[in-house]
Amino acid sequence: EAGVTQFPSHSVIEKGQTVTLRCDPISGHDNLYWYRRVMGKEIKFLLHFVKESKQDESGMPNNRFLAERTGGTYSTLKVQPAELEDSGVYFCASSQLVGALNTEAFFGQGTRLTVV
Amino acid sequence: AQKVTQAQTEISVVEKEDVTLDCVYETRDTTYYLFWYKQPPSGELVFLIRRNSFDEQNEISGRYSWNFQKSTSSFNFTITASQVVDSAVYFCALSEVNAGNMLTFGGGTRLMVKP
Repeated sequence: EAGVTQFPSHSVIEKGQTVTLRCDPISGHDNLYWYRRVMGKEIKFLLHFVKESKQDESGMPNNRFLAERTGGTYSTLKVQPAELEDSGVYFCASSQLVGALNTEAFFGQGTRLTVV
Repeated sequence: AQKVTQAQTEISVVEKEDVTLDCVYETRDTTYYLFWYKQPPSGELVFLIRRNSFDEQNEISGRYSWNFQKSTSSFNFTITASQVVDSAVYFCALSEVNAGNMLTFGGGTRLMVKP
């Protein structure tokens, strides 16, 4: 069974440019989460999808970040325009929804974003 | 609000030594989950264990063991007879059932096991 897949693994862009990160969750997982770790800090929650709906986007830092999950399958996270402080590793995770309970989340390998 | 503290930012041991990674958490919820994840040099976060707040039994899985103590709000992780392949960053995390199961992570502990 394929795990959570993220693309690209690395991205280097200039300040002001746009970048789109993609996450393919484990097949059948309704929950999809985005997290990020900026240099030297903790891994922080960004948002949570249940199928195609945004369940919680309280962690999104500002309106330069836009996440979508059309059709409830893969998700994209767009940063436009990118700023230097957006540099870090962006993780995607997915988990199953079993009744009212969520199983443990499985993470992708992350996308390392560098804004120069 | 929930919080996870991993006071040890970096630990260095020699192969075959035992090592314990500390994790202390804060939460107001009575129902929550605690996790440990391993981040090897390849970058992905590898799930190790999930423990719910009602199960204080210690768990052992091979060379790994976990000690959950609600009285001290701790969920410590011990590696017995460490190996070079154990070198990684280890993250402790907490999720509250009432918070959509989003994870709150500690800062991570970098473990270096030297041959």
